[in-house]
Amino acid sequence: EVHLEESGGDLVQPGGSLRLSCAASGFTLSSHAMGWVRQAPGKGLKWVSIIVVDGRTYYPDSVKGRFTISRDDSRNTLYLQMNNLRVEDTAVYYCARSPGATAADYWGQGTLVTVSS
Amino acid sequence: DIVMTQSPDSLTVSLGERATINCKSSQSVLYNPNNKNYLAWYQQKSGQPPKLLVSWASTRESGVPDRFSGSGSGTDFTLTISSLQAEDVAIYYCQEYYTTLWAFGQGTKVEIK
Repeated sequence: EVHLEESGGDLVQPGGSLRLSCAASGFTLSSHAMGWVRQAPGKGLKWVSIIVVDGRTYYPDSVKGRFTISRDDSRNTLYLQMNNLRVEDTAVYYCARSPGATAADYWGQGTLVTVSS
Repeated sequence: DIVMTQSPDSLTVSLGERATINCKSSQSVLYNPNNKNYLAWYQQKSGQPPKLLVSWASTRESGVPDRFSGSGSGTDFTLTISSLQAEDVAIYYCQEYYTTLWAFGQGTKVEIK
C-alpha cells in the first residue's frame, strides 16, 4: 500500500531554516516524480517544488533560491530544505507522488510550518 | 506561466441536484502529439489532504463514484457532480500538469442548500 508521511514542520523565526521529510512506503520513490505542495491557512493549493525521475528539479519564483528539493533513494525519503523563511511561507506542506510528472495520485497528511517572530 | 481560473468560487446545491464547476486555463493544456489534456481535478475535505478524482481531464480514478465526471479540452474544463451527496461537501481544485510548474485553480467550495 502506498503511504507518504511528512515530518519536520515547526515554528521558526523569519530568516530561519527548516528541513521537511517525506517518508515513502509501498513504492520506490526514485521511480516517480515527487512534489511538494503547500496550503496557507484558509487558502488554496500552491505548488512548491518537483523532482523528476532523472533528478531535475523545478521551483516557482516565490521559493527559487531559498528551497531545495532532494531525495535519498537508500531511505526512500523526499526532502525539502527551506532557508531564509518568510512569514508568507507559513502553511501546511504536503508531499505528493506524481507518476510521470502527471496528476498527483497520492498525498501525505501534511506538516505545518509556522514562520513567526 | 499558466494561470488556472475556476468559477464559481462557491456553489450551494440541494441534495440530489447537479453541481457544475468550471476551470479555464490561460493557455491550452492539450498536448497534440498524444491528444491528451494535462488537467486534473482534486477534492479536499476539511482537515484532509487533496484526493485525486479525475486525471487527463476526463479519466475518473479507481474508486471514485461515477457521479463525478470531467469534460472539456484545450482551455475550458468542467467537473460535474451529477447528483450531489452529503459526503461531497468539499473544496474542488483543478490543476494543470502540462508544465512542471503545476498551477492550481483557486478552488470552488461546494455546500449543501
